[in-house]
Formats: sequence, structure tokens, C-alpha cells
Amino acid sequence: AQTVTQSQPEMSVQEAETVTLSCTYDTSESDYYLFWYKQPPSRQMILVIRQEAYKQQNATENRFSVNFQKAAKSFSLKISDSQLGDAAMYFCAYFDGGATNKLIFGTGTLLAVQP
Amino acid sequence: DTGVSQDPRHKITKRGQNVTFRCDPISEHNRLYWYRQTLGQGPEFLTYFQNEAQLEKSRLLSDRFSAERPKGSFSTLEIQRTEQGDSAMYLCASRGPGDQPQHFGDGTRLSIL
Repeated sequence: AQTVTQSQPEMSVQEAETVTLSCTYDTSESDYYLFWYKQPPSRQMILVIRQEAYKQQNATENRFSVNFQKAAKSFSLKISDSQLGDAAMYFCAYFDGGATNKLIFGTGTLLAVQP
Repeated sequence: DTGVSQDPRHKITKRGQNVTFRCDPISEHNRLYWYRQTLGQGPEFLTYFQNEAQLEKSRLLSDRFSAERPKGSFSTLEIQRTEQGDSAMYLCASRGPGDQPQHFGDGTRLSIL
């Protein structure tokens, strides 16, 4: 069964600095998707960035980028120029788009941004 | 595009009562998902609909839980004879055709007294 592991329950970063959130996963599939979702307190879960496993190029969305290491089954999120609005719970999620049709989430990393 | 809408936002009920939640997906999204999220955890999959057909159910979905999606539009999730362990945030997500990602609603927070 596929699993997603986030080993950092909490992280803190100074405003304008860079922070990296870690995620590892386990799967026997070769074709799948990986996502980072952001969940602010009492607010909606929002898609931050996604990566298709067949693409070697790391995805980038403005200040957010990923380091996707397929062989190592690692998918970290880098947030550059951190802003106060980045404070939230961040979830890494796996989706194989075929057999299961469901997202498998990690336990999340709570990111605090210090002014 | 008004996003995924869930109602109510918060439900407080006594143990043993039945509750029903509603989810309105993004228009024209034919795929709909329910997840449950407990405090400090990531969401866990409950069930999946493609149009009106319920194609997958998690073992988490005990016989006290039932979900429907009549006419392939909105969906309801009913919990009968609620228990303390049912207290959680229930999230709905919808997804369009192809490899589009899932879009989540605000969730319904269930509190069992």
C-alpha cells in the first residue's frame, strides 16, 4: 500500500527567508502524481503545487518549488521569500490516478512564519 | 466557478443522533470525494463517486455511514447513530476530467457531545 511520510511536525521560518519541508513516500507504481496542499487555520485546503512522476523537471509556482527525487521517493517543498500569509499546515499527498482514485496524505507540517 | 460548497460548516449533535452533510461540487466536475480529517492528522479517504456511481469505499466507511450522489450533482454523507469517534472534519473535494487536481471545500466540522 502507498504511504506518505512527513517527518517534520512543525517548522519555523523568518519572514523573507527560505524554508524546506520534507516528504517521502512509498509506492510500487511508476506513474503517479504528488501534491503539496496548504491548509490555513479554519480555512480551505488549497493546492500549492503538483508534480507528475514522469516529468524529470521539478515543478515551480512563483515562490514555491519542489525537489522531486523519484529514485529516493522524496518530494520536498521549498518556499522562498517566506511571507506571513504562508503560515499554515502543509500536507504532502500522493495520487496514482488509476487503481485507487484517492489522495493519500501525510500527517502534515505546521509552518510558522516569524515577523 | 464558485468552488466546492459544503453545508453546514459546523454541526454539534448528541451521541446517537443521525447527521447529514451536503456537498455541492464545482460545476461540471464529474468526480467527487469525501475525506475525514481528525485533529493533527491528514485527511483520510472515505468514498469516491464518478457521476452518480459510488465506485470506491474505504473500510473506514462503516455501515453507519452512507453516501449518495443522486443525478451526479450534489452529494450527501449521512452518519447514523453517531459515536464520539465520529468527531472530525469531513471534507468534500471535486475533480474535473482528465488529470485535473482535486479542489476541496471548507469542510463540515462534526462535534459529538
